[in-house]
Order: sequence, then structure tokens, then C-alpha cells
Amino acid sequence: DSGVTQTPKHLITATGQRVTLRCSPRSGDLSVYWYQQSLDQGLQFLIQYYNGEERAKGNILERFSAQQFPDLHSELNLSSLELGDSALYFCASSAQGGNGYTFGSGTRLTVV
Amino acid sequence: AQKITQTQPGMFVQEKEAVTLDCTYDTSDQSYGLFWYKQPSSGEMIFLIYQGSYDEQNATEGRYSLNFQKARKSANLVISASQLGDSAMYFCAMREGRVTGGGNKLTFGTGTQLKVEL
Repeated sequence: DSGVTQTPKHLITATGQRVTLRCSPRSGDLSVYWYQQSLDQGLQFLIQYYNGEERAKGNILERFSAQQFPDLHSELNLSSLELGDSALYFCASSAQGGNGYTFGSGTRLTVV
Repeated sequence: AQKITQTQPGMFVQEKEAVTLDCTYDTSDQSYGLFWYKQPSSGEMIFLIYQGSYDEQNATEGRYSLNFQKARKSANLVISASQLGDSAMYFCAMREGRVTGGGNKLTFGTGTQLKVEL
């Protein structure tokens, strides 16, 4: 167990639907990062939150949104899902001022 | 330009041999960090080794070492005495800029699929 918890592990949903992916960072880590790993795009940075505030944005679609709650867990919301959104979604966390990034085991999303 | 380039999509190595996985990077920052992660077929991302741009010594962690050549902007991973369990995808990643309180994102290369054979 890496200390970063992602739920659910697997998700199968239909096109046009909306899903929420959840991430609990390692205890004490204030930063949460979301990544999408697909076969054709590799590992793409989506968005980062630090202590509840959005800190950096990457290649995140407008259909996607995220937030970090006061207890530091984060949720990634994906809406109007398309077949191309099928991917492995990772959450990672890092400690304040630290060099370590700990990844969760990922959520495998399949859009059918 | 690609920030992180891994030119070997796939590599084969015999058990107990050493193997080098290539990684070159591109940044204008003086302060940055380089990471290697292992992703087995089960999918999780496992941290292997870290090298800071100001570290003068090459990083080592058990059978893993990082061959850091700053002038060439390369950060190759060397795995010694390969084991069957080393078969996995390996990613090189970079954190640009100095370490800040808020943290900086990692940028990943496309990965190298390593297969260890008997």
C-alpha cells in the first residue's frame, strides 16, 4: 500500500455518462496531482491541487473538473464521457517541499 | 520539443545481466529533479530512484543506479543483475524548477517496455 488511495479501481460506464474518481493522499501530503494514462497519449498531467487550491493545470478537457476538499481528498469529475476517455487515471501526492511523489494504484475507466 | 525523451520502446535483457534504459531531457531551469518509475503489468507506478540537478554523485538504490550526465542532459537508468520480476514498463520523469512548498508536476516520457528473459 503506497499510502495514496484511489477508488474505485475499475469503472465501466456508457458514453455520455458522468463519473467521479476519488483520491485520498498520503497522510500529511498537501499536494494532489491527477494524471491520465492512455495507450496513444502516454501519461498526461491533468491538474494539481495544493491545500485545497488549484495550483497547476495541464491538458485537462473542459468536460473534466476536479477539486480538493478540506480533508485533502480530491475528486476528479469526468462528464459527457466519450470512448476516447477510456484510460487509467492516476492520482499522486507529494509532501510540502519534498521530492517524493507517491502514486495511487489508479482507476481504470472503460467507456463503452 | 519533448521534455522527456525515451527512445527505446522495447528492450530485452537476459536474466542476471545489466541493462541501461535511456532518457534525455530538455529544460532551461537550473534546478530540476529526475525520476524513474516502474509500472508492472498490474498497473501501479512504483518509484525507483531520484536525481537532483545539483547532486554531484549519481543516485543509487539497490540494483538501480542513475547515470546522470548533466551536460548531455541524460539520465539513464541502469539495472544490474536483472531479474524476471524486472519485466515492466519504465518511465523517466522530470520535475522542473526548484522544490517549492506547493510542489511541481512531473512530466513523463513515453516509457520503455523491458522484458527479462531466462
